[in-house]
This record gives sequence, structure tokens and C-alpha cells, in this order.
Amino acid sequence: GDSVTQMEGPVTLSEEACLTINCTYTATGYPSLFWYVQYPGEGLQLLLKATKADDKGSNKGFEATYRKETTSFHLEKGSVQVSDSAVYFCALSGNTGFQKLVFGTGTRLLVSP
Amino acid sequence: DVKVTQSSRYLVKRTGEKVFLECVQDMDHENMFWYRQDPGLGLRLIYFSYDVKMKEKGDIPEGYSVSREKKERFSLILESASTNQTSMYLCASSSLLAGTTYNEQFFGPGTRLTVL
Repeated sequence: GDSVTQMEGPVTLSEEACLTINCTYTATGYPSLFWYVQYPGEGLQLLLKATKADDKGSNKGFEATYRKETTSFHLEKGSVQVSDSAVYFCALSGNTGFQKLVFGTGTRLLVSP
Repeated sequence: DVKVTQSSRYLVKRTGEKVFLECVQDMDHENMFWYRQDPGLGLRLIYFSYDVKMKEKGDIPEGYSVSREKKERFSLILESASTNQTSMYLCASSSLLAGTTYNEQFFGPGTRLTVL
């Protein structure tokens, strides 16, 4: 079945450092790919998405590129802020059937001043 | 803004109790979902519903049931709570777009359930 693998955390960075959170997937066909973010005490919210190969999703300074050749969707940000501290989930949705999401295990990011 | 609300943020129950978790969305979404979130396991789908009175099993339905009597409300029921159901429960909703297989899911803040 479909699956998502993302790097374990926590990832600990100083403010203004560069961020990369790795995400790879296994799926048949051409899934859509997503990054969701969960701030402390809140539910998940969509950060960015890409629906086909070579698409780049971006939002709030975060970017991720859908790489079909490497089955990857790594999350990147050039300069993190303390307010970026959260748990980040990579997810996919298959291109057939109902709108179900398959999530990775989540990566906690801690940014210190 | 889409709003998904869950009846409780924290809940403590005893083994064997019947537990109801309520979720309400205010955007007239057709689809609603219940997930549980556990450390190291991410989110796992318990049940989902694409219409009133319709329900489908997700990946881990055992020990749970659901009810959707109204479009805006989706309830998760633990018939006889057990300690291994201690978890964070997240509800989500999405609209149905014709011709697509996915539309953004909007999540509630979660209910942290502890079963003693």
C-alpha cells in the first residue's frame, strides 16, 4: 500500500538557520503530496501541496518540490524563525478512490533564539 | 474561515466506559474524518464519511464506531474504552470537488483522551 517516510526528529536549529526535512513516498501512479503543520495545542493545517511531478509548493517561506524520479518531497526553508517551531507532517493522497490521506510519522522542529 | 470544533480538548475515562467524541464543522463539507495521532505513528485514519448516514472504515476501525446523522456532525464512539485507546483524536472535514480525488482537509484542535 501507499506509505510516507519522513526523517525522525526532533530537529533543533537556531533562528535564521536553513531547514530541510526529508520526505520520501511509495505509491502507485501519481499521488498528490502535502506538508501539514501542527503548532502546539492546535490541529493540523495545510502548509503547501503539489499535485504533479516537478510542481513546487510554497507558503510562508517554505518550499517543497515533487520529485518523481526520487519519490521525494523534501521541505525546505532558508531562514527559520522561533515561530516555526511545530510538528511537520508529510502526506500523500492517491489519485484514485476516495480522498484519503496517508501521513508520515511527523518531524518536530525546535527553533531557539 | 472553516471551523472544525471538537467537544472536548481533554477527556479522562475509565476502562469499559462508553465514550462519545463529537465533531462539528460549519462549512457544509460533505466529507468528514476521524484520526488518531500517536507518537512515532503519525496520524491513522479510523473512519470517514462522505455523506449523511454513510460511513467507511479506515485503517484502524477496530474498537470504534461512528455516527453521522447530520451533515455538520460526525461522532466517534468507543463502545468499551480500553487503555490502548489512550490517544489524541483529530477530526477533519473537506468538501467534495467533482473531478478531483483530493481536496484540502481542515482539522479540529483535537481531543486528548486518557483511559485509566
